[in-house]
Amino acid sequence: QITLKESGPTLVKPTQTLTLTCTFSGFSLSTSGVGVGWIRQPPGKALEWLALIYWDDDKRYSPSLKSRLTITKDTSKNQVVLTMTNMDPVDTATYYCAHSPVWGSYRLYYFDYWGQGTLVTVSS
Amino acid sequence: QSALTQPASVSGSPGQSITISCTGTSSDVGGYNYVSWYQQHPGKAPKLMIYDVSKRPSGVSNRFSGSKSGNTASLTISGLQAEDEADYYCSSYTSSSTYWVFGGGTKLTVL
Repeated sequence: QITLKESGPTLVKPTQTLTLTCTFSGFSLSTSGVGVGWIRQPPGKALEWLALIYWDDDKRYSPSLKSRLTITKDTSKNQVVLTMTNMDPVDTATYYCAHSPVWGSYRLYYFDYWGQGTLVTVSS
Repeated sequence: QSALTQPASVSGSPGQSITISCTGTSSDVGGYNYVSWYQQHPGKAPKLMIYDVSKRPSGVSNRFSGSKSGNTASLTISGLQAEDEADYYCSSYTSSSTYWVFGGGTKLTVL
């Protein structure tokens, strides 16, 4: 059974750096083709894809946020960490991590398991 | 502005069928069979309903189906039920530098 859970601060101040951790179970990020992504959703707005890291440390970022994002993995701890610099009130959102599956060793382009999400508010 | 275009809202009565469209480009929806659909109830995490355009994950009702024509993908829900009332998002891989895109979401109201 695959589960993911996001953790991190619920409140950050403008200009600060946000660090979120996704702790997962039921799969390994050392399995060929597997990935973990981050998606956010501002209150009342649409989902927005942020970043994704694969088993082989291939990293992909949303171009509009690339300069502010860093995604890393710790395979031994079953964790993926997302950092976002220079936080602004418009970054207030629920942040989700999600599992991107594999078929054989081929990447699949969807998210089949999601964490419950964590609401991050940016305010002074 | 989302990369994939969805209608803001659709509605239907119990038992009816509805279709939600998702329009992209030849770099995403039209170029690859990597369209997925997610259902999201208020305050909940998204749930995968359709992947690879038309495949249903185990446990998802066969009332949900997906298709694609050109640069537009569609999600059809038949036999509408009250519990289908939710927001629906499409998503796709894209060969552009963006890599992954979501639609703006569609609010389904069951009348």
